[in-house]
Amino acid sequence: DGGITQSPKYLFRKEGQNVTLSCEQNLNHDAMYWYRQDPGQGLRLIYYSQIVNDFQKGDIAEGYSVSREKKESFPLTVTSAQKNPTAFYLCASSTAGFNEKLFFGSGTQLSVL
Amino acid sequence: QQQVKQSPQSLIVQKGGISIINCAYENTAFDYFPWYQQFPGKGPALLIAIRPDVSEKKEGRFTISFNKSAKQFSLHIMDSQPGDSATYFCAASIRGNTPLVFGKGTRLSVIA
Repeated sequence: DGGITQSPKYLFRKEGQNVTLSCEQNLNHDAMYWYRQDPGQGLRLIYYSQIVNDFQKGDIAEGYSVSREKKESFPLTVTSAQKNPTAFYLCASSTAGFNEKLFFGSGTQLSVL
Repeated sequence: QQQVKQSPQSLIVQKGGISIINCAYENTAFDYFPWYQQFPGKGPALLIAIRPDVSEKKEGRFTISFNKSAKQFSLHIMDSQPGDSATYFCAASIRGNTPLVFGKGTRLSVIA
């Protein structure tokens, strides 16, 4: 089955710790995205990548970092600089940059201990 | 600056009734307007989308109405069912040029 796999489903971060959220897709999509979802705040774009080895900041990139070394993978690191990391993180992909249909993973809920 | 404003924040509709969710945008360059549906604990999924060259698009019980002059578009769910209970997001983009910008979402509850 083709799709997007996010792991883990739940993640806890300690003070001052960096954590990495995994996102893997087997849809052969060129573009991948990371969104943050907070209750009542909608989906806000953190980073996106249209091709391998290239990525751009979204609206709320501060405190986050990404890499795109492989087409299938787009991991997100939440650094200690992100002071309010508790949120639901969603990874998505599309066939080409800014193509209309986004395919989302099932998300990772990150909480602070 | 919120580029896409969505209302209401929550909505309760009787089974069989019509659910209506509204969105307004400012950027007249937007040319693609999708709606996404999200169930609890899951990622959103594309429900229906419209481009500004038409005023309405219907897929089953779901209809998008688009008013270009008012810079507004809305989602209508006819004969609403309990299984439609979910969070709905409108979005907009300049196709091929900018990432999607999402509204804040509407939590719909359809009660029997």
